Amino acid sequence: DADVTQTPRNRITKTGKRIMLECSQTKGHDRMYWYRQDPGLGLRLIYYSFDVKDINKGEISDGYSVSRQAQAKFSLSLESAIPNQTALYFCATSDWGGDLLPETQYFGPGTRLLVL
Amino acid sequence: SQQGEEDPQALSIQEGENATMNCSYKTSINNLQWYRQNSGRGLVHLILIRSNEREKHSGRLRVTLDTSKKSSSLLITASRAADTASYFCATDASSGGGADGLTFGKGTHLIIQP
Repeated sequence: DADVTQTPRNRITKTGKRIMLECSQTKGHDRMYWYRQDPGLGLRLIYYSFDVKDINKGEISDGYSVSRQAQAKFSLSLESAIPNQTALYFCATSDWGGDLLPETQYFGPGTRLLVL
Repeated sequence: SQQGEEDPQALSIQEGENATMNCSYKTSINNLQWYRQNSGRGLVHLILIRSNEREKHSGRLRVTLDTSKKSSSLLITASRAADTASYFCATDASSGGGADGLTFGKGTHLIIQP
């Protein structure tokens, strides 16, 4: 079974609709992240969470919100979807353990979102 | 903003040849990591090299790091068709290990011709 899962894997929606992308992990990690990937732009960080009570904005948080329902679950919402939010969205987790243990992130399979 | 920049953007070689990709970055780092992404899939961690290391090996992978030039290279030896993927470098520049310390480049798309 995959350690980091994302649902749905594909989604088509219309402009103005609210949608939620969900991420679950069984790795027991405290840290979770949401990225979007656009062709030619690499990965860009949207939001990240160090634990259930800690939520932080990333590089491109405008138009997005998140909810950390539990250690294992981190959801990304688009309150009112717009076409330029069409992208591939990835959830990731990490187990950073201090300066002696560099951070490695573990990625989910991605959600392909198309906003019409 | 991107910290790491991979070069070349795309690379096509014959199976069995070696593939070399480069990554340049701008600020001091704690470590640099390489990830692989198969088409439409999530990223998979390949290898990590710390700032006080110069070279690291893992199977057919060889990574070098030159902190004076702020650059790293990833060498894949004896390439196979299954190595076809995009390869990303990610730099950790954080002082406290925060999430913003892992910054990804735009990737090198590697194609292995059979």
